[in-house]
Order: sequence, then C-alpha cells, then structure tokens
Amino acid sequence: GEDVEQSLFLSVREGDSSVINCTYTDSSSTYLYWYKQEPGAGLQLLTYIFSNMDMKQDQRLTVLLNKKDKHLSLRIADTQTGDSAIYFCADTGGGNKLTFGTGTQLKVEL
Amino acid sequence: NAGVTQTPKFQVLKTGQSMTLQCAQDMNHEYMSWYRQDPGMGLRLIHYSVGAGITDQGEVPNGYNVSRSTTEDFPLRLLSAAPSQTSVYFCASRGEASYEQYFGPGTRLTVT
Repeated sequence: GEDVEQSLFLSVREGDSSVINCTYTDSSSTYLYWYKQEPGAGLQLLTYIFSNMDMKQDQRLTVLLNKKDKHLSLRIADTQTGDSAIYFCADTGGGNKLTFGTGTQLKVEL
Repeated sequence: NAGVTQTPKFQVLKTGQSMTLQCAQDMNHEYMSWYRQDPGMGLRLIHYSVGAGITDQGEVPNGYNVSRSTTEDFPLRLLSAAPSQTSVYFCASRGEASYEQYFGPGTRLTVT
C-alpha cells in the first residue's frame, strides 16, 4: 500500500527558515497536503498542491514538489514560536482516502 | 457552523468494555472518516463513509464498527475494548467537490 515518510523532529531558531521533508510512494497521487497540529488539537489544513504543479507559495509557506523523486517539502520562512507544532504531509493517491506521514515535530527556539 | 464535533473528549475504559465515540458535522459533507493517532505512526484510517448508508474499511478496522444512518452522524463503536486501542481518535469530513478535510478536536481514549 501507499507509504508516506517524514523525519520525526526538527529544531530551528526563531527567525530562521524551516524545511520539512516528506517522501511518498504512490505515483498516482493527485493532491498532496500539509496539515498542522497544535498541542491537544485536531489537524488543520495549511496548504496543498496539485500533482501537476512543482511549486506553490502562500505567504510564509512554500511547497515544493518533485514528482519524479516523489518528494514534497514545506518551507516556512521567518519561523516564529507560534509555528511550533506537528506537521503532517498527506496524499490521496488515486482515490478519496488520505494517507498521512508520521508527522514532524517542529520546535522553534528563541 | 459548529464544524466537526466529537464526544467525549476523554474516556477511560476497562478491557472488555464497549463504547461509542460520537462524531457529527453540520456542513452537509458526504465523506466522513475515523482515524487513530499513535506516537510515531501518524494518523491511520479506521473506517470511512462516502455517504449515508455506505461505509468501508480503512487500514486498521479490526475491533471497530461504524454505521452511517444520516449524513450528519458517523459513530465509531468499540465492541470489546483492548489496551491496544488506547489512542487519540479523530473524525474528519469533507464535501464531495472539495479537497479539504475538516477534523474534529479528537477523543483521547485509554483502555486499562
């Protein structure tokens, strides 16, 4: 079945850029997503990218998609303490079900 | 709109007990899903529904039942709780023409 992988932890200083990486295996993915989960809360959709795009920018967020390598990344510019959370990538494969990565815990240090 | 609501927020069960986790949405969404979240494993799909009267199994369905008698409600039943079902459970919904899933706040379940 589909497999989506992420590194578990990332620590950055406030004001630096954060880059969270994700790899997936299903080449029929149509949409790929980034979700944010704050402590004790559900998941919130941050941004998404269609599989026919290679980049999407949304304010401080930049999503890069390398479809050949099945690699997705999320760059957060000027990272703030409020960005501390768990970030999940997810894709739909060729159907309606979302497959989530393991999540990356982002810690922003002063 | 209240969005996706889940009850209870916290629950402790003894092994062998049964219970139902409630999920409701007021957005008239066709698709609803149940996930469990465990440390280091992300979210795994338990069951999902593409409309009232239609349900299907996800990645980890064993030990759980669902039904979808109305568009709004999608309860998850644990028939005989086991310690391996200790987890945080999330319900989610989305519209047929939408790419965005909306998540509930979660239910933290502990089975002793």
